[in-house]
Amino acid sequence: QLQLQESGPGLVKPSETLSLTCTVSGGSISSSSYYWGWIRQPPGKGLEWIGSIYYSGSTYYNPSLKSRVTISVDTSKNQFSLKLSSVTAADTAVYYCARHTVTPTAEYFQHWGQGTLVTVSS
Amino acid sequence: SYVLTQPPSVSVAPGKTARITCGGNNIGSKSVHWYQQKPGQAPVLVIYYDSDRPSGIPERFSGSNSGNTATLTISRVEAGDEADYYCQVWDSSSDRHVVFGGGTKLTVL
Repeated sequence: QLQLQESGPGLVKPSETLSLTCTVSGGSISSSSYYWGWIRQPPGKGLEWIGSIYYSGSTYYNPSLKSRVTISVDTSKNQFSLKLSSVTAADTAVYYCARHTVTPTAEYFQHWGQGTLVTVSS
Repeated sequence: SYVLTQPPSVSVAPGKTARITCGGNNIGSKSVHWYQQKPGQAPVLVIYYDSDRPSGIPERFSGSNSGNTATLTISRVEAGDEADYYCQVWDSSSDRHVVFGGGTKLTVL
């Protein structure tokens, strides 16, 4: 059974870089059928897609966050990672990683991690 | 960028039918997916490709999509269906990216 687990600091200072890792178990991150994505949810608010990566390293990002986001993949560890630079309090959110099914006509997220709360505060 | 509009809240009595809408410009030309999120939990995919159900999702959950509105229908609503529901599409019109609706809180009276 596929499982995803986020890990990383729960507290980040303003202007610094948020870094999270998602470890995939029960399946290979190198599967040709899927991308791997990050989604966040500020407290009490809705879902926002951050970006996604293919095992080859191909990425695409939410245009509103693109200038601050880097997503990378480590196939040897079955992990992918998120870096978000120059964070502010507005980046405080629960961050989810998810397996991202991508077809020529649709994209959706069928498997999600449990999420990790990251607070931006000095 | 593409915008999805959902009502903030929907209320329904147990055993009745709940309908949650998701509005977007010509959304009928896109594939719509729906997620259920209970408090403190990760979202769960309940409908994909407008009307398909993943394994394990009850038949009470169904979806439709036409024109400018997609609809998630929950029949014979149970107390356990109380949750936030989000619609989602893939917007390929400009920069390729994923779009979520703002979410709808379903309250079971």
